[in-house]
Amino acid sequence: KAGVTQTPRYLIKTRGQQVTLSCSPISGHRSVSWYQQTPGQGLQFLFEYFSETQRNKGNFPGRFSGRQFSNSRSEMNVSTLELGDSALYLCASSFGGAGAYEQYFGPGTRLTVT
Amino acid sequence: GEDVEQSLFLSVREGDSSVINCTYTDSSSTYLYWYKQEPGAGLQLLTYIFSNMDMKQDQRLTVLLNKKDKHLSLRIADTQTGDSAIYFCAGGNTDKLIFGTGTRLQVFP
Repeated sequence: KAGVTQTPRYLIKTRGQQVTLSCSPISGHRSVSWYQQTPGQGLQFLFEYFSETQRNKGNFPGRFSGRQFSNSRSEMNVSTLELGDSALYLCASSFGGAGAYEQYFGPGTRLTVT
Repeated sequence: GEDVEQSLFLSVREGDSSVINCTYTDSSSTYLYWYKQEPGAGLQLLTYIFSNMDMKQDQRLTVLLNKKDKHLSLRIADTQTGDSAIYFCAGGNTDKLIFGTGTRLQVFP
């Protein structure tokens, strides 16, 4: 069974631009969560989607948004990029939700904002 | 609020056992997880334990859970150089995981 895939793996953007990251979950998984990892803040929860609905959202500004498609693939978008958005963005899939089911992570997208 | 704490560093000799500790504040987690992250990589799920269990063993890995003290530990037997990585514990309720700060395990020959 294929694992969680994320594209692109690396991305360089300039301040003020916007970016879209993609995540394809494990086949059969309907929950996709997104996390931001930085050296200073560690791993922080962004949001979680289940069957195309956002069920939970972390403490991030509205510049961070996401969506999920009917095939469970998910995208996250960051508008008006800031230097502080440079991070590793990880997505994770699970059958029913992070707290009650095993959650598997993709390799991440490394975003650098210059 | 929810909080998960870990010690930052652990250094062990190859062949010894490693014990990585974690304390958490949220007792409503159904599962408690251990993840491994190697440089430049995502998170690899190592093992997990149901919140109603005290111990789980999986080959070289042993997870101990003390619900009263809200303390979770991961023991790696016969630690190898390939075990060098950052280890995260995480607990979750409903739809998200709360991660610890990570423990960097260094294994020296």
